[in-house]
Amino acid sequence: NAGVTQTPKFQVLKTGQSMTLQCAQDMNHEYMSWYRQDPGMGLRLIHYSVGAGITDQGEVPNGYNVSRSTTEDFPLRLLSAAPSQTSVYFCASSYSDWYNEQFFGPGTRLTVL
Amino acid sequence: GENVEQHPSTLSVQEGDSAVIKCTYSDSASNYFPWYKQELGKGPQLIIDIRSNVGEKKDQRIAVTLNKTAKHFSLHITETQPEDSAVYFCAPTGTASKLTFGTGTRLQVTL
Repeated sequence: NAGVTQTPKFQVLKTGQSMTLQCAQDMNHEYMSWYRQDPGMGLRLIHYSVGAGITDQGEVPNGYNVSRSTTEDFPLRLLSAAPSQTSVYFCASSYSDWYNEQFFGPGTRLTVL
Repeated sequence: GENVEQHPSTLSVQEGDSAVIKCTYSDSASNYFPWYKQELGKGPQLIIDIRSNVGEKKDQRIAVTLNKTAKHFSLHITETQPEDSAVYFCAPTGTASKLTFGTGTRLQVTL
């Protein structure tokens, strides 16, 4: 199993550009989520999904969109990048619910100029 | 939402010593208490967790203790080794079904 994979590893955008961060898992997990990690602030939940076709907002959803058309994939879209979105983004998945281990991907480091 | 605080924010210990990190939370409905370890350049990884019906759990050199009345739980690492150097996060979880992470504790184990 590859676990949770994320692409790209690094990305530089200009203000106003859009892009999609990819996340995939091969563990047949129902729960997937996106976090951003900023220095001194831990990880903050952006969006999450409890299964294909079902998504919901987390703590910091503004400026981001998600969709979940398959169990395996959970892409995160930045609609119009802003410097405040410079961060490291992590995707995670879990087997059954939030009271079980979250498996994290290796992260995407995004810089918005 | 859940307010989570971790202390200390940084911790330096000598190899072989013990390390203790404390996490306090505000949501009395929290019933799942995990600790994650994040090594440089990697995503967090679960190292130990405990549920609200258990007061303590141990796994080799790592233990977690829970005080639900006082709303805090702690990570204990004994006989620390250089490979324990990392950032540790608590993530108490309640009925909202969303992980809320603490701000992290950077542990450095020196030789």
